[in-house]
Amino acid sequence: GENVEQHPSTLSVQEGDSAVIKCTYSDSASNYFPWYKQELGKGPQLIIDIRSNVGEKKDQRIAVTLNKTAKHFSLHITETQPEDSAVYFCAGPGPSSARQLTFGSGTQLTVLP
Amino acid sequence: DVKVTQSSRYLVKRTGEKVFLECVQDMDHENMFWYRQDPGLGLRLIYFSYDVKMKEKGDIPEGYSVSREKKERFSLILESASTNQTSMYLCASSFHRDTGELFFGEGSRLTVL
Repeated sequence: GENVEQHPSTLSVQEGDSAVIKCTYSDSASNYFPWYKQELGKGPQLIIDIRSNVGEKKDQRIAVTLNKTAKHFSLHITETQPEDSAVYFCAGPGPSSARQLTFGSGTQLTVLP
Repeated sequence: DVKVTQSSRYLVKRTGEKVFLECVQDMDHENMFWYRQDPGLGLRLIYFSYDVKMKEKGDIPEGYSVSREKKERFSLILESASTNQTSMYLCASSFHRDTGELFFGEGSRLTVL
């Protein structure tokens, strides 16, 4: 099965509402969990990351929570705006042979005006 | 402003052709990566490199090779392109080896006919 599973694959919210994207992982060895945003026609860009020594991290309207016991982490976007519309990827521990991050399958977020 | 530049945004090739995808970064990063992006599959790591003339296989190296002759340049090579290699290819670089921010190029969309 996948090392990092991401849900939902698509998410539509009204402008001003909150959006939550969740990821689960299977390898407990990693301590680094980033989130990337990919706008149309561009490469992914890091928006926030968290390390395992903390349970939550915030940066203005975005926050990430990590539950190492349950092996899941989530991206929270509050007061969504149309410019938040993009594809979001989580990343977590990958196959041990590569020792690199494994990305989730992505979530297409659409913020409706 | 940091930059990862991929030489071709769009390419159309025929089955059996040799394909070169070039990537250059201006951040003096040691680490460079090639990913493949397909709908519903997220970003999958093809090859990566921690140093000049050094390469390591990622999760899906079959059908690909790479070259790192200079620190700033990392090339992806398809020796004999096949239709199942039609995809978006993303190059990235990073300062840290296993964790830390990945800086992505804008991608090269390859179509193999």
